[in-house]
Amino acid sequence: DADVTQTPRNRITKTGKRIMLECSQTKGHDRMYWYRQDPGLGLRLIYYSFDVKDINKGEISDGYSVSRQAQAKFSLSLESAIPNQTALYFCATSDPTGTSGSYNEQFFGPGTRLTVL
Amino acid sequence: AQSVTQPDIHITVSEGASLELRCNYSYGATPYLFWYVQSPGQGLQLLLKYFSGDTLVQGIKGFEAEFKRSQSSFNLRKPSVHWSDAAEYFCAVGVRGTYKYIFGTGTRLKVLA
Repeated sequence: DADVTQTPRNRITKTGKRIMLECSQTKGHDRMYWYRQDPGLGLRLIYYSFDVKDINKGEISDGYSVSRQAQAKFSLSLESAIPNQTALYFCATSDPTGTSGSYNEQFFGPGTRLTVL
Repeated sequence: AQSVTQPDIHITVSEGASLELRCNYSYGATPYLFWYVQSPGQGLQLLLKYFSGDTLVQGIKGFEAEFKRSQSSFNLRKPSVHWSDAAEYFCAVGVRGTYKYIFGTGTRLKVLA
């Protein structure tokens, strides 16, 4: 079973629609992240959360919002989707209590491919 | 500002040939460095990481990377590439004090049979 799951895997929507991408994890990690990947731009951080009461904006948070419903769930919303939000979206988790301290690896979900027409 | 540069967008090698993917970083302190691989339709998987100590680190799938502070580089290498190594590779830096990660733009590897 996958440790980090994302739903849906693919979504096509229209400009102006509200859409939610969901992420669930069974790794027991406190830290969760949302990234978007665009060709030639790598991964860019949208939002991150260190626990259910600690949510922070990343470098490209405009047009997005998030909700940390529980330690295991972190949702990304596009309130009014626009075409330049067409991208591949990744959720990731990390565990700060590992043997290497606070900069352990991140574990990624399989991604959600979002197309906004 | 911290940044990660992967100068090669695409690299093509023949199966069995050696591979080196370049990564340069801009960071004011000792960096935490990572290499991830993304196979088609998949999420990112960690290949290896460097935090401190021995500057040559070994990873999964026969990959290794060498940290060179004087060159601000963390290049990924593999002595003999397999067709299954075709993927996109990302270098990343962990930013101290923020618990965030900065990713390079990626290098897409094509392997010729």
